[in-house]
Amino acid sequence: DAKTTQPNSMESNEEEPVHLPCNHSTISGTDYIHWYRQLPSQGPEYVIHGLTSNVNNRMASLAIAEDRKSSTLILHRATLRDAAVYYCIHRIGRGAQKLVFGQGTRLTINP
Amino acid sequence: DSGVTQTPKHLITATGQRVTLRCSPRSGDLSVYWYQQSLDQGLQFLIQYYNGEERAKGNILERFSAQQFPDLHSELNLSSLELGDSALYFCASSVTTGTGIQETQYFGPGTRLLVL
Repeated sequence: DAKTTQPNSMESNEEEPVHLPCNHSTISGTDYIHWYRQLPSQGPEYVIHGLTSNVNNRMASLAIAEDRKSSTLILHRATLRDAAVYYCIHRIGRGAQKLVFGQGTRLTINP
Repeated sequence: DSGVTQTPKHLITATGQRVTLRCSPRSGDLSVYWYQQSLDQGLQFLIQYYNGEERAKGNILERFSAQQFPDLHSELNLSSLELGDSALYFCASSVTTGTGIQETQYFGPGTRLLVL
């Protein structure tokens, strides 16, 4: 299973941008990076995914390094509702469809 | 609301007993995945079914089994329960086309199992 490395926890203030880093040094050509988050007492929910270039959606942006060995999830204006555990998942191109969750980053948002 | 439903929400039972957890996937999704979330092991993949057939197996104990029915709902059966089986059990679904590595998995709200 492909391993990712994330900080255990991060803290930010409401209405400020948040940058959540992830290292995935074993990534290869057809592998994707997916981000999910888990709000308290809920199941995980999809945030964003990407292959090579940066991606934007209504929830967040994903910036992928040129060598693809790291990426950053960007929440442009954090709200209290964004407090969650964020999981960076390296999906192998020829691997199974399962999601392999690491420990994730617990994001705290201060009012 | 992800569109994935799980029942029951909570389950309290005793060691040695057997329970069944139920999952209904989103309309149109052919794949169902089961995950277990415990404090010490985190979120772990158990098993995947695709259109009624087992497609992938993860860290699923032999005491656990699952199936997917013709209407695509799935059941996870846990037997000879032990204290360590206490956990949150999540079901997820996805459409599954091709390799599926771009696909989003939609998770249900989970079933919290407590074994006493």
